[in-house]
Amino acid sequence: QQPVQSPQAVILREGEDAVINCSSSKALYSVHWYRQKHGEAPVFLMILLKGGEQKGHDKISASFNEKKQQSSLYLTASQLSYSGTYFCGTELSTSGTYKYIFGTGTRLKVLA
Amino acid sequence: DSGVTQTPKHLITATGQRVTLRCSPRSGDLSVYWYQQSLDQGLQFLIQYYNGEERAKGNILERFSAQQFPDLHSELNLSSLELGDSALYFCASSVRVTSGGYNEQFFGPGTRLTVL
Repeated sequence: QQPVQSPQAVILREGEDAVINCSSSKALYSVHWYRQKHGEAPVFLMILLKGGEQKGHDKISASFNEKKQQSSLYLTASQLSYSGTYFCGTELSTSGTYKYIFGTGTRLKVLA
Repeated sequence: DSGVTQTPKHLITATGQRVTLRCSPRSGDLSVYWYQQSLDQGLQFLIQYYNGEERAKGNILERFSAQQFPDLHSELNLSSLELGDSALYFCASSVRVTSGGYNEQFFGPGTRLTVL
């Protein structure tokens, strides 16, 4: 039930691009992305609400394909500050009850 | 600084004991969420309260309970502690009840619980 993220880990050089994928076996109605630096709390990046919707945040953007139950996070021209663990998350509803599920996480390390 | 505060920052206790973790949401936020994060693991959703009422429940153990008070702060009670309960416990808050994804969550700094 937990969304699966790929890759599990990635190492980049500063300025390189990366894509992080999030796939769910359950229908997705919204996807959230968070970044967590080591020893710190997760920080919200963006929410995607509709199938095919794309959002951007500086050089970080994301897409959401509701039909494929997938979301991808795109990091362009990565900076040292992008290092951390990225989580996708979603809200699941079953018979009127809700719960929040976060993905397996992707560790990203940007080297100088 | 997200505006969410959690106390204590660190807690060390023994197996079988009971502890209480406290969370104060951002000013104006009505929803409080609790998460557990074990070492190098992902975030496991425990429970959500909205304006004092339980709204959503995850894989929260029966030994764990939570509540949200009229002033909107929340407490997570963990009892009969086991070694496996050692983890980082995060509280998050958001403005509204989650529906359709309109729920950017602001996370507190966490409470690190160590059970010896």
